[in-house]
Amino acid sequence: NAGVTQTPKFQVLKTGQSMTLQCAQDMNHNSMYWYRQDPGMGLRLIYYSASEGTTDKGEVPNGYNVSRLNKREFSLRLESAAPSQTSVYFCASSIQRLAAFGSGTRLTVV
Amino acid sequence: KNEVEQSPQNLTAQEGEFITINCSYSVGISALHWLQQHPGGGIVSLFMLSSGKKKHGRLIATINIQEKHSSLHITASHPRDSAVYICAFKYNNNDMRFGAGTRLTVKP
Repeated sequence: NAGVTQTPKFQVLKTGQSMTLQCAQDMNHNSMYWYRQDPGMGLRLIYYSASEGTTDKGEVPNGYNVSRLNKREFSLRLESAAPSQTSVYFCASSIQRLAAFGSGTRLTVV
Repeated sequence: KNEVEQSPQNLTAQEGEFITINCSYSVGISALHWLQQHPGGGIVSLFMLSSGKKKHGRLIATINIQEKHSSLHITASHPRDSAVYICAFKYNNNDMRFGAGTRLTVKP
């Protein structure tokens, strides 16, 4: 029982490069989320998907796109990475008020 | 604007000490979460509480909904308790608000 699995764990990108962060959950949760965590700040919601086939913007969506491929998978894409996107990214899933988090992706954009 | 404030930001304790971490929030909520973020980055949920007190092992969480305040206590702290502790609440059906976290270091 893996819970929420995120890949990769670490990534270094050059400004302007693109990449996709992958997230999968095996708990049959309807909702999935992408957060970023920056020093001195709480986690902030980038995008969420309330159910398969739907996605919506969160608090800080600029520069990101998402895809809810199926009920299990929710990916986050950076089309043209910027240094301001250097952060730790967490995927989470929940059903009602229970949340499970991935182990995080530390992304550095140089 | 910060709807949830935690204190202290950093806390260093000796093994065995009683630890208190505080969380204050500015909006009406129905429940609050306490989360633990391990040094490796993983986040786990410790408690969800809407009133009174909950206890799990050496961890105790309390909340006063009217005063918009919650505390997390750790009794007989141990180096393995070293982590970042985060409080959070449900902001709407699809979002939560998170505190910036309290980094706890327990020295042997």
